[in-house]
Amino acid sequence: DTAVSQTPKYLVTQMGNDKSIKCEQNLGHDTMYWYKQDSKKFLKIMFSYNNKELIINETVPNRFSPKSPDKAHLNLHINSLELGDSAVYFCASSQPDREAFFGQGTRLTVV
Amino acid sequence: DAKTTQPPSMDCAEGRAANLPCNHSTISGNEYVYWYRQIHSQGPQYIIHGLKNNETNEMASLIITEDRKSSTLILPHATLRDTAVYYCIAMGFSGNTPLVFGKGTRLSVIA
Repeated sequence: DTAVSQTPKYLVTQMGNDKSIKCEQNLGHDTMYWYKQDSKKFLKIMFSYNNKELIINETVPNRFSPKSPDKAHLNLHINSLELGDSAVYFCASSQPDREAFFGQGTRLTVV
Repeated sequence: DAKTTQPPSMDCAEGRAANLPCNHSTISGNEYVYWYRQIHSQGPQYIIHGLKNNETNEMASLIITEDRKSSTLILPHATLRDTAVYYCIAMGFSGNTPLVFGKGTRLSVIA
């Protein structure tokens, strides 16, 4: 059983399109996160949700909108995709102040 | 959270112990030292964490100096599959603190 799963694994799309990345965790964790890893391999926190509520929103363009329908899911919607959005996006989950578990990533390529 | 400093890269011969250092001279009393690794193209993976005492699990050992200003992650018998970027993170507990990743150490295990 995959603890944190993301779909799709690869996503190639044109500039200006709107796309979504889905994330599900079966660990019963209260907190979920989205991270972005750019071409220089830096991992940066984007959002953090606790029990479906947004608690951290780093300086991310408002074209990015996370949505948490329930505690086990945190989806990432991206509107009007730009070339600079190309990156690997990782979803993660944890219990408060415990180790985090990461998904395998979604490689987004905007052309 | 305290800043950590790690060497950008290290090599280790297969079968030998890999000792990865981390400096966290500004760590505060309630901050833990966490280690994660990221194998190429995969999501980060939790390895181990500690506060003051040395810790050991099935993956690695963590040695923290008495003054807590530095630590060493030890992989006792490195294999080629341990080739990865290793991240040392000093983090306090405040509810739902997300991990803040630095540049890490790229460990190459050589046959």
